[in-house]
Formats: sequence, C-alpha cells, structure tokens
Amino acid sequence: AQSVTQPDIHITVSEGASLELRCNYSYGATPYLFWYVQSPGQGLQLLLKYFSGDTLVQGIKGFEAEFKRSQSSFNLRKPSVHWSDAAEYFCAVGARSGGYQKVTFGTGTKLQVIP
Amino acid sequence: EPEVTQTPSHQVTQMGQEVILRCVPISNHLYFYWYRQILGQKVEFLVSFYNNEISEKSEIFDDQFSVERPDGSNFTLKIRSTKLEDSAMYFCASTMGLRGDTQYFGPGTRLTVL
Repeated sequence: AQSVTQPDIHITVSEGASLELRCNYSYGATPYLFWYVQSPGQGLQLLLKYFSGDTLVQGIKGFEAEFKRSQSSFNLRKPSVHWSDAAEYFCAVGARSGGYQKVTFGTGTKLQVIP
Repeated sequence: EPEVTQTPSHQVTQMGQEVILRCVPISNHLYFYWYRQILGQKVEFLVSFYNNEISEKSEIFDDQFSVERPDGSNFTLKIRSTKLEDSAMYFCASTMGLRGDTQYFGPGTRLTVL
C-alpha cells in the first residue's frame, strides 16, 4: 500500500524568503505525485503533479517540485514566498489500478508567512 | 475550466439522521471518488466508483455508507444513521481514467453531526 510522509507539521517563513516543503512517499511502482494546497475552510487546489518525464515540474503560483526516485521524495519549493501562500499543503501519491486512481494524502504542512 | 461542484456547502444534522451529500463531477469524467477530512487531520480515501459499481472502498466505508449515481450527472454519498464521529469535510473528486490525469476535487461539504 502506498503512503506519504510530510515530516514538517508547521513551517514559518518570512515573506520573500525561499520555501521548501518535504515529502517522502512509499509506493511499489512509479507513482503519480501531487501537491495540493488548502486554504482555511476551502477545498483542495492542485498545485502541480508528476507522473512521468521531466523530474522537475512547474506548477501554479510559482511553485515547483522535484521527483527524486532514489530518495523517494517529491519536495515542493518556491523561491520567494508571498503572504497569500499561507495555507496548508498536502503531498499525495496516486496509485493507479486500471483506469482509476486512489490518492493517498500526507498529513499536511501548515505554512505561516510572517511579514 | 470545468469543475466539480458539491452541495450543500454545510450540512448540520442530528445524530442518527440520514444525510445525502451531493456532487456533480466533471461531465466527461468516468471515475468518481469520495474522501473525508476530519477537522485537523489528513484527507482520507473513502470509496471509488466506476460504471455504477464500487471499485474500492476503505475500512471507513462501512455499511452505514452508500454511494449512487442516480442520473447522468449526480454522484451521491449517503450516510444512513449519522454518528458524531462522521463530522468532517467530505470531498468529491473525479477523473477521466486516462494515464497521468488529475483527480479534480470539489470544494467539499462540511458535515456537522450534533
């Protein structure tokens, strides 16, 4: 069974500073990997995904993530954080079986941005 | 851009009552899912549905839960007799079923059981 670990429950960064959110996954085959963002009381918005090809993927809002198979990691990065990035970030792995896809989420990392 | 919609956005019910949460997946999608997020916890898979059948369900999805696609557009989650611990945000999602496609999530329904 697949699993995702997000080791950082809460991260605080200053506005304008760089950001890296860690994610490690466990899955037997090549995974589908996702980062979702959730603002308080809101739904899940997809930031980016990886399923094959270039291991550095670009997403919305200036985010990027790098798939490193050797480290089973898919860390999310942003060079300069904005106050509006404060939210909870979920890494997820998708296991594909035929046409359907079951997504397993990590426990999330809450990002606080200070002026 | 097409999106998954869910109604209601917030449902309050008494313990023991039946609730039906509604979702309208993206129109050309074929696979449908329900997830649950208890306040402060991670999002958990409940069930997947394809071709009018459940493809997979988690241990959370017991006999109190059922899903249905009553017509060509809606996808519903029914909880027969709600418990306090059913209070959570419920997310619907859908995919086309193609390689590499994305699971699109709805905005969620917050269920509060009193």
